[in-house]
Amino acid sequence: KAGVTQTPRYLIKTRGQQVTLSCSPISGHRSVSWYQQTPGQGLQFLFEYFSETQRNKGNFPGRFSGRQFSNSRSEMNVSTLELGDSALYLCASSLEKGFHTDTQYFGPGTRLTVL
Amino acid sequence: GNSVTQMEGPVTLSEEAFLTINCTYTATGYPSLFWYVQYPGEGLQLLLKATKADDKGSNKGFEATYRKETTSFHLEKGSVQVSDSAVYFCALRETGNQFYFGTGTSLTVIP
Repeated sequence: KAGVTQTPRYLIKTRGQQVTLSCSPISGHRSVSWYQQTPGQGLQFLFEYFSETQRNKGNFPGRFSGRQFSNSRSEMNVSTLELGDSALYLCASSLEKGFHTDTQYFGPGTRLTVL
Repeated sequence: GNSVTQMEGPVTLSEEAFLTINCTYTATGYPSLFWYVQYPGEGLQLLLKATKADDKGSNKGFEATYRKETTSFHLEKGSVQVSDSAVYFCALRETGNQFYFGTGTSLTVIP
């Protein structure tokens, strides 16, 4: 089975621009979560989508948004980019058969640099 | 609320040394507990997990035991190798909730 894939792998943007990142989960997985990873803040939870609905949300401003499509693929969007948005953005998927023991499987991440 | 606290890094060990990375948690219910590992330039990979009290997760020589009485899930390995150099994350999850991750502990093993 193919793993979680994220595109693009690297991205350079300037302040004020917007960006869209894409995540394809493992086939059959219904939940997709997004995380921001920075050296100073560690791994910060952004949001989780399950069956096209946002199920959980972290403490990020409204500039960060996401969605999930019927095939479980997900996108996240960051508008009006700030320098502090430079980070590795990780996507993770899980099967979600209704048990909290489900493991999350991570993609390699998208490295976003804001200049 | 839920949270995970890991020991601060970085940790530097000589090859074949014993490793312990401490992890304690706070949870309102009965979470599952996980250790993830991140090698340089890669995403996180599941290392091991435990789903209930007294369960022991193990993989690649690493072990961790779910201790409800001390709310801990410490990671141990008897003899580390250079290839174990990575960042290790402790995490928990309760039903229907998001994953909560610790801040990560960087491990460097020197020959």
